[in-house]
Amino acid sequence: GIQVEQSPPDLILQEGANSTLRCNFSDSVNNLQWFHQNPWGQLINLFYIPSGTKQNGRLSATTVATERYSLLYISSSQTTDSGVYFCAVEGAGTASKLTFGTGTRLQVTL
Amino acid sequence: SAVISQKPSRDICQRGTSLTIQCQVDSQVTMMFWYRQQPGQSLTLIATANQGSEATYESGFVIDKFPISRPNLTFSTLTVSNMSPEDSSIYLCSARTGGNKQYFGPGTRLTVT
Repeated sequence: GIQVEQSPPDLILQEGANSTLRCNFSDSVNNLQWFHQNPWGQLINLFYIPSGTKQNGRLSATTVATERYSLLYISSSQTTDSGVYFCAVEGAGTASKLTFGTGTRLQVTL
Repeated sequence: SAVISQKPSRDICQRGTSLTIQCQVDSQVTMMFWYRQQPGQSLTLIATANQGSEATYESGFVIDKFPISRPNLTFSTLTVSNMSPEDSSIYLCSARTGGNKQYFGPGTRLTVT
């Protein structure tokens, strides 16, 4: 099946700093989504972005499908950004099933 | 978007027993899924819950252990049967809307003793 790797695995930032999270995938995808799992375990959908670039406030994401990677940018980080960020992909021909990446654990400190 | 609720939010169960987890979506959705997340790990898909027919299970998961129902477009249940301590995990219900975005419930934290 499709492999999804995220980097870095762990990241510690001071409040106000910017960061870039990367997601690499091993095959063509029909669907790619970014999620934030907050410290209480709730998963929040950040972006549906199989290709192109989207922005939502301090967050933006870019997927370059032909090169099999996606980037999530967090600007002016806040302590509420802490948690785990997951990239999830649906490989071409995998019948609407999302495969989750390994995750990036982000801690934003004061 | 879709708002998903799950019951129970957590439970502690004895080995050999079964637990049924309920998932309710606030709107009709095209697809529903069940995932498992072990502590500190990523999410693993257990099965796709199909409305009106048998669920589609992923490799390593079987119907006898994880029976799933989906009687309509807003509700599904997952049963964890004949539990062992290895079944201790967070079980997450998920739903996909027509726009292909996927949403998750708050999860059920299961501890098997």
